[in-house]
Amino acid sequence: LAKTTQPISMDSYEGQEVNITCSHNNIATNDYITWYQQFPSQGPRFIIQGYKTKVTNEVASLFIPADRKSSTLSLPRVSLSDTAVYYCLVGELGGGNKLTFGTGTQLKVEL
Amino acid sequence: NAGVMQNPRHLVRRRGQEARLRCSPMKGHSHVYWYRQLPEEGLKFMVYLQKENIIDESGMPKERFSAEFPKEGPSILRIQQVVRGDSAAYFCASSPLQPGQGHEKLFFGSGTQLSVL
Repeated sequence: LAKTTQPISMDSYEGQEVNITCSHNNIATNDYITWYQQFPSQGPRFIIQGYKTKVTNEVASLFIPADRKSSTLSLPRVSLSDTAVYYCLVGELGGGNKLTFGTGTQLKVEL
Repeated sequence: NAGVMQNPRHLVRRRGQEARLRCSPMKGHSHVYWYRQLPEEGLKFMVYLQKENIIDESGMPKERFSAEFPKEGPSILRIQQVVRGDSAAYFCASSPLQPGQGHEKLFFGSGTQLSVL
């Protein structure tokens, strides 16, 4: 299973763009990269998923370089409500039983 | 379409009692996963079930823990003779897809916080 490494915490201010980078040097050919967001006392919520290059949805963008050994979650113009823990996961499609959530990145957004 | 429903939200048990945690997946989802989260840690996979079948229980402790997902009704995670170390948040997730069917994402419930006194 590919292991992921993310910063433990990040601080930002409202209106700024936040980029959280995740390293996954041992990513396998069949692995996808998925990001989840978790608020206190709630279950994780799916944010975005990708395999290579760039993926964008209404919430975030995911940048994946050609070697796929890292990925960057980009949150545009964060607000206080984006304060949460963000998890980067790597795994095969349909491998919910193989997904390992690390300790994630605690993002704190201030005024 | 209601999300993944877990109950109870909070459960307090004394050492040696049994804990039963329930999870109703999203409508149309037939794949259920259970995860455990200790304070300040990430989620750890416990078990993956489909209707009436345990597919992968490699993350379940060998003793005292069991899970089921009957043909009718919610999935149940059962912990017998609880100990203080079982205190944690237990999350259930569901998915509509079988492995290999497409881009899977898991839909999580709000969890059950188990406290063992």
